[in-house]
Amino acid sequence: AQSVAQPEDQVNVAEGNPLTVKCTYSVSGNPYLFWYVQYPNRGLQFLLKYITGDNLVKGSYGFEAEFNKSQTSFHLKKPSALVSDSALYFCAVRDTNDYKLSFGAGTTVTVRA
Amino acid sequence: DTAVSQTPKYLVTQMGNDKSIKCEQNLGHDTMYWYKQDSKKFLKIMFSYNNKELIINETVPNRFSPKSPDKAHLNLHINSLELGDSAVYFCASSQGRGGGNTIYFGEGSWLTVV
Repeated sequence: AQSVAQPEDQVNVAEGNPLTVKCTYSVSGNPYLFWYVQYPNRGLQFLLKYITGDNLVKGSYGFEAEFNKSQTSFHLKKPSALVSDSALYFCAVRDTNDYKLSFGAGTTVTVRA
Repeated sequence: DTAVSQTPKYLVTQMGNDKSIKCEQNLGHDTMYWYKQDSKKFLKIMFSYNNKELIINETVPNRFSPKSPDKAHLNLHINSLELGDSAVYFCASSQGRGGGNTIYFGEGSWLTVV
């Protein structure tokens, strides 16, 4: 079985400050981890993913995420947040032998000017 | 060019009606999906086809029936619509099933049942 948790419903930061969106996962095999962003009334846009190799993954729009196997986490980070980063962020996981991509409940990020 | 396109974007219909949502992808992918996003923004897989073969069929009412005429198309037909079917339905596609394959989503179809 696979599952993913996003412990924060909302994250509020000031523009220019670092942004972190937390994600923890549970799988029986090895995880494939993804981050997506959803703007209002839009579809999900792929940001980045971890498959194997370097634990620090860089993605679109200046976002990066760090895979931590011991803590079963895959937190999304951005060094300096922009107002335009305000959106709904989803973490997702797929187990080694599974076809399904399971999503977390989402975290709403608000970046204030 | 839109990679994953679905129509209609908005659909308002009465209870008991039958409706379809169409999806097409021009990415050359061999796997397509339907996801449902409820009012709390929770995303749940409904169906997936790989090369026109049904590979994921989650516990959804029999009123929902997917059809994949070819690898580039996956349609969703819903019979006898109920109020609880109101949601956003996302079509998506990927090259390959499972593993680290990235899923790409369409813009969504907002279904409102009144």
